[in-house]
Amino acid sequence: GESVGLHLPTLSVQEGDNSIINCAYSNSASDYFIWYKQESGKGPQFIIDIRSNMDKRQGQRVTVLLNKTVKHLSLQIAATQPGDSAVYFCAESWSDSGYSTLTFGKGTMLLVSP
Amino acid sequence: EPEVTQTPSHQVTQMGQEVILRCVPISNHLYFYWYRQILGQKVEFLVSFYNNEISEKSEIFDDQFSVERPDGSNFTLKIRSTKLEDSAMYFCASSEPNYGYTFGSGTRLTVV
Repeated sequence: GESVGLHLPTLSVQEGDNSIINCAYSNSASDYFIWYKQESGKGPQFIIDIRSNMDKRQGQRVTVLLNKTVKHLSLQIAATQPGDSAVYFCAESWSDSGYSTLTFGKGTMLLVSP
Repeated sequence: EPEVTQTPSHQVTQMGQEVILRCVPISNHLYFYWYRQILGQKVEFLVSFYNNEISEKSEIFDDQFSVERPDGSNFTLKIRSTKLEDSAMYFCASSEPNYGYTFGSGTRLTVV
Protein backbone atom coordinates (compact mmCIF):
# COMPACT_ATOMS: atom_id res chain seq x y z
CA GLY A 1 0.00 0.00 0.00
CA GLU A 2 0.93 3.63 -0.19
CA SER A 3 2.66 5.28 2.74
CA VAL A 4 1.51 8.69 3.82
CA GLY A 5 2.63 11.14 6.47
CA LEU A 6 5.85 12.91 7.27
CA HIS A 7 8.31 10.12 6.52
CA LEU A 8 10.17 10.44 3.24
CA PRO A 9 12.79 8.03 1.97
CA THR A 10 16.12 9.71 2.53
CA LEU A 11 19.40 9.35 0.70
CA SER A 12 22.45 10.71 2.52
CA VAL A 13 25.65 11.17 0.55
CA GLN A 14 28.97 12.92 0.85
CA GLU A 15 29.84 15.86 -1.35
CA GLY A 16 31.44 14.60 -4.54
CA ASP A 17 29.68 11.24 -4.50
CA ASN A 18 27.32 10.18 -7.24
CA SER A 19 23.67 9.92 -6.18
CA ILE A 20 20.99 7.67 -7.58
CA ILE A 21 17.34 8.35 -6.78
CA ASN A 22 14.74 5.82 -7.84
CA CYS A 23 11.07 6.04 -8.67
CA ALA A 24 8.43 3.48 -9.55
CA TYR A 25 5.67 4.90 -11.69
CA SER A 26 2.16 3.57 -11.87
CA ASN A 27 0.68 3.98 -15.33
CA SER A 28 2.05 1.88 -18.17
CA ALA A 29 0.33 4.27 -20.61
CA SER A 30 2.41 7.23 -19.42
CA ASP A 31 4.43 8.69 -22.23
CA TYR A 32 6.45 11.42 -20.58
CA PHE A 33 8.43 11.55 -17.34
CA ILE A 34 9.99 14.41 -15.47
CA TRP A 35 12.21 14.81 -12.44
CA TYR A 36 11.62 17.79 -10.19
CA LYS A 37 13.69 19.23 -7.37
CA GLN A 38 11.90 20.89 -4.48
CA GLU A 39 13.78 22.98 -1.96
CA SER A 40 12.22 23.92 1.33
CA GLY A 41 9.46 26.50 0.92
CA LYS A 42 9.66 26.51 -2.87
CA GLY A 43 7.75 25.01 -5.76
CA PRO A 44 8.92 22.04 -7.85
CA GLN A 45 11.75 22.97 -10.18
CA PHE A 46 12.27 21.12 -13.46
CA ILE A 47 15.50 19.11 -13.68
CA ILE A 48 15.25 16.78 -16.65
CA ASP A 49 12.65 14.93 -18.66
CA ILE A 50 12.45 11.86 -20.87
CA ARG A 51 9.93 10.53 -23.34
CA SER A 52 8.85 6.93 -23.42
CA ASN A 53 10.63 6.23 -26.70
CA MET A 54 13.97 6.76 -24.98
CA ASP A 55 15.69 4.86 -22.19
CA LYS A 56 18.37 7.37 -21.25
CA ARG A 57 18.82 11.09 -21.37
CA GLN A 58 21.68 13.20 -20.08
CA GLY A 59 21.83 16.74 -18.89
CA GLN A 60 24.40 18.73 -17.03
CA ARG A 61 25.52 16.47 -14.16
CA VAL A 62 22.20 14.59 -14.31
CA THR A 63 21.09 11.48 -16.16
CA VAL A 64 17.63 9.97 -16.27
CA LEU A 65 17.13 6.29 -17.00
CA LEU A 66 13.78 4.80 -17.95
CA ASN A 67 12.93 1.11 -17.77
CA LYS A 68 9.43 0.69 -19.15
CA THR A 69 9.42 -3.06 -18.62
CA VAL A 70 9.40 -2.66 -14.85
CA LYS A 71 7.99 0.90 -14.82
CA HIS A 72 11.07 2.31 -13.16
CA LEU A 73 12.73 5.69 -13.46
CA SER A 74 16.00 6.79 -11.93
CA LEU A 75 17.85 10.06 -11.57
CA GLN A 76 21.60 10.02 -11.35
CA ILE A 77 23.40 13.10 -10.08
CA ALA A 78 27.14 13.19 -10.67
CA ALA A 79 29.52 14.84 -8.21
CA THR A 80 26.74 15.73 -5.79
CA GLN A 81 27.04 19.14 -4.15
CA PRO A 82 25.51 20.54 -0.93
CA GLY A 83 23.25 22.69 -3.12
CA ASP A 84 21.68 19.51 -4.46
CA SER A 85 20.12 18.85 -1.05
CA ALA A 86 16.36 18.87 -1.62
CA VAL A 87 13.38 16.59 -2.11
CA TYR A 88 13.28 14.99 -5.56
CA PHE A 89 10.02 13.94 -7.18
CA CYS A 90 9.39 12.00 -10.32
CA ALA A 91 6.24 12.80 -12.27
CA GLU A 92 4.49 11.02 -15.12
CA SER A 93 2.15 12.25 -17.79
CA TRP A 94 0.38 10.87 -20.83
CA SER A 95 1.82 13.58 -23.06
CA ASP A 96 4.73 15.98 -23.38
CA SER A 97 2.48 18.48 -25.14
CA GLY A 98 2.53 20.88 -22.19
CA TYR A 99 -1.14 20.62 -21.30
CA SER A 100 -1.44 17.21 -19.71
CA THR A 101 -1.69 16.72 -15.98
CA LEU A 102 1.19 15.42 -13.93
CA THR A 103 1.01 12.56 -11.46
CA PHE A 104 3.75 12.90 -8.89
CA GLY A 105 5.57 10.19 -7.00
CA LYS A 106 6.19 10.26 -3.26
CA GLY A 107 9.55 11.99 -3.23
CA THR A 108 13.01 11.24 -1.92
CA MET A 109 14.96 13.56 0.32
CA LEU A 110 18.61 13.94 -0.72
CA LEU A 111 20.98 15.13 2.02
CA VAL A 112 24.47 16.07 0.92
CA SER A 113 27.07 16.62 3.60
CA PRO A 114 30.29 18.57 2.94
CA GLU B 1 13.97 34.15 -16.43
CA PRO B 2 10.15 34.31 -16.46
CA GLU B 3 8.45 33.27 -13.24
CA VAL B 4 5.05 32.24 -12.00
CA THR B 5 4.20 34.52 -9.10
CA GLN B 6 1.90 33.53 -6.25
CA THR B 7 0.43 35.67 -3.50
CA PRO B 8 0.23 35.57 -0.58
CA SER B 9 3.09 33.31 0.42
CA HIS B 10 1.25 32.35 3.60
CA GLN B 11 -2.44 32.64 4.41
CA VAL B 12 -4.03 31.79 7.74
CA THR B 13 -7.79 31.53 7.78
CA GLN B 14 -10.52 30.32 10.09
CA MET B 15 -12.47 27.20 9.25
CA GLY B 16 -15.52 28.05 7.19
CA GLN B 17 -14.05 31.23 5.73
CA GLU B 18 -13.50 31.82 2.03
CA VAL B 19 -10.00 32.24 0.68
CA ILE B 20 -8.69 33.35 -2.69
CA LEU B 21 -5.21 32.34 -3.74
CA ARG B 22 -3.70 34.40 -6.50
CA CYS B 23 -1.31 33.57 -9.29
CA VAL B 24 0.26 35.46 -12.16
CA PRO B 25 1.28 32.89 -14.79
CA ILE B 26 4.00 33.48 -17.36
CA SER B 27 2.61 35.93 -19.87
CA ASN B 28 2.75 33.89 -23.08
CA HIS B 29 1.63 30.61 -21.49
CA LEU B 30 -1.76 29.21 -22.42
CA TYR B 31 -2.34 26.46 -19.87
CA PHE B 32 -2.77 27.02 -16.17
CA TYR B 33 -2.91 24.64 -13.25
CA TRP B 34 -3.38 24.37 -9.52
CA TYR B 35 -1.72 21.61 -7.53
CA ARG B 36 -1.55 21.15 -3.80
CA GLN B 37 0.81 19.44 -1.39
CA ILE B 38 -0.25 18.45 2.09
CA LEU B 39 2.72 18.58 4.45
CA GLY B 40 5.03 15.61 3.90
CA GLN B 41 2.97 14.17 1.08
CA LYS B 42 3.23 14.21 -2.68
CA VAL B 43 2.07 16.96 -4.96
CA GLU B 44 -1.51 16.36 -6.17
CA PHE B 45 -3.30 17.73 -9.21
CA LEU B 46 -6.36 19.88 -8.60
CA VAL B 47 -7.40 21.52 -11.86
CA SER B 48 -6.22 22.62 -15.29
CA PHE B 49 -7.53 25.61 -17.20
CA TYR B 50 -7.33 26.50 -20.86
CA ASN B 51 -9.15 28.93 -23.10
CA ASN B 52 -11.08 30.36 -20.17
CA GLU B 53 -12.53 27.10 -18.99
CA ILE B 54 -11.64 24.11 -16.86
CA SER B 55 -10.14 21.38 -19.02
CA GLU B 56 -9.65 18.76 -16.32
CA LYS B 57 -10.18 18.45 -12.58
CA SER B 58 -9.45 15.87 -9.93
CA GLU B 59 -11.71 14.35 -7.29
CA ILE B 60 -10.23 16.79 -4.78
CA PHE B 61 -11.62 19.73 -6.76
CA ASP B 62 -15.18 19.57 -5.46
CA ASP B 63 -17.88 22.22 -5.37
CA GLN B 64 -16.00 24.15 -2.69
CA PHE B 65 -13.30 25.01 -5.21
CA SER B 66 -13.44 27.33 -8.18
CA VAL B 67 -10.94 28.94 -10.53
CA GLU B 68 -11.09 32.12 -12.47
CA ARG B 69 -9.02 34.18 -14.83
CA PRO B 70 -10.54 37.57 -14.05
CA ASP B 71 -8.27 39.54 -16.37
CA GLY B 72 -5.43 38.92 -18.78
CA SER B 73 -2.83 38.24 -16.13
CA ASN B 74 -4.28 36.73 -12.94
CA PHE B 75 -5.41 33.20 -12.26
CA THR B 76 -7.16 32.56 -8.96
CA LEU B 77 -8.21 29.60 -6.86
CA LYS B 78 -11.12 30.16 -4.49
CA ILE B 79 -12.05 27.86 -1.66
CA ARG B 80 -15.56 28.76 -0.61
CA SER B 81 -15.72 27.37 2.92
CA THR B 82 -12.36 26.15 4.15
CA LYS B 83 -11.93 22.97 6.15
CA LEU B 84 -9.03 21.93 8.35
CA GLU B 85 -7.99 19.36 5.74
CA ASP B 86 -7.56 22.12 3.14
CA SER B 87 -4.37 23.14 4.94
CA ALA B 88 -1.60 22.59 2.40
CA MET B 89 0.82 24.27 0.03
CA TYR B 90 -1.00 25.33 -3.12
CA PHE B 91 1.08 25.60 -6.26
CA CYS B 92 0.10 27.39 -9.41
CA ALA B 93 1.78 26.40 -12.66
CA SER B 94 1.62 27.43 -16.29
CA SER B 95 2.84 25.90 -19.51
CA GLU B 96 2.89 26.44 -23.24
CA PRO B 97 2.51 23.86 -26.00
CA ASN B 98 5.39 21.40 -26.19
CA TYR B 99 7.12 22.81 -23.15
CA GLY B 100 7.01 21.70 -19.57
CA TYR B 101 5.50 23.38 -16.57
CA THR B 102 6.81 26.29 -14.57
CA PHE B 103 5.63 26.19 -10.96
CA GLY B 104 5.26 29.10 -8.61
CA SER B 105 6.72 29.11 -5.11
CA GLY B 106 3.38 28.29 -3.58
CA THR B 107 0.96 29.65 -1.01
CA ARG B 108 0.94 27.95 2.35
CA LEU B 109 -2.67 27.82 3.50
CA THR B 110 -3.27 27.17 7.18
CA VAL B 111 -6.86 26.61 8.28
CA VAL B 112 -7.41 26.96 12.02
